[in-house]
Amino acid sequence: SQTIHQWPATLVQPVGSPLSLECTVEGTSNPNLYWYRQAAGRGLQLLFYSVGIGQISSEVPQNLSASRPQDRQFILSSKKLLLSDSGFYLCAWSPIGGGISAFFGQGTRLTVV
Amino acid sequence: AQKVTQAQTEISVVEKEDVTLDCVYETRDTTYYLFWYKQPPSGELVFLIRRNSFDEQNEISGRYSWNFQKSTSSFNFTITASQVVDSAVYFCALMDSNYQLIWGAGTKLIIKP
Repeated sequence: SQTIHQWPATLVQPVGSPLSLECTVEGTSNPNLYWYRQAAGRGLQLLFYSVGIGQISSEVPQNLSASRPQDRQFILSSKKLLLSDSGFYLCAWSPIGGGISAFFGQGTRLTVV
Repeated sequence: AQKVTQAQTEISVVEKEDVTLDCVYETRDTTYYLFWYKQPPSGELVFLIRRNSFDEQNEISGRYSWNFQKSTSSFNFTITASQVVDSAVYFCALMDSNYQLIWGAGTKLIIKP
C-alpha cells in the first residue's frame, strides 16, 4: 500500500534562517506531488506541484522553493524565512495523471519567530 | 473560473443532531472530480469521498451521505446523528481537467456533547 511521510511534524525557526521540509512517498511510482500551506483558520493554498523529477510548477510567488531530486521525494525550501511563512505545510501525492484522489502527509507546523 | 465555495465558516450543533455542510463549485470543465476531506485537530487531512462529474448518484457511508447535484453545482455533505468525534474542519475540493485541486475555505464543525 502507498504511504506518505512528511517531517518534521513541528518546527520553530528564527526569521532569516533557512528551511528544508521533506516528503517521501512509498508504494507507488511517478506520483504527482504537491506542497500546500494552510495559514491559521484558513483553507489550503497550493504552493508547488510536480509531475516528475526536476519538474516543478509554482502556483504562488513567494519566499519558498521546491525540488524533486528523486521520483518519490519532494522538498520544500527557503533560504531566509519570513514571519509570514508561518503556517501548516502539507505534502500530498496523487497517482500519475492526477488520478482520482490526493493523499496527504501528516503536515508540518512551522512557526517563524 | 474554477472555484469552490463553502459558505459556512463554522457550524455548531449538539451531539446526535443531523448537520449538512454545503459546497458549491464553479468550473468550465465537463469532466471533473469532487472531494470531501476531514481535518481533525491533529491536522492530518483524511480523504472521505470522491465523486466524478458523470456520477450524480448520491452516496451513503454509515452516518455520512453526499448529495451531488450538477444542476445547482453543489456537492453537500450530511452527517446523521453527529458525534463529538465528528468535530473537525471539513474541506470540499474540485479537481479540474489539469488534475489540480481547488479547495474551499473549509467549514469548522463543532459537535457539543
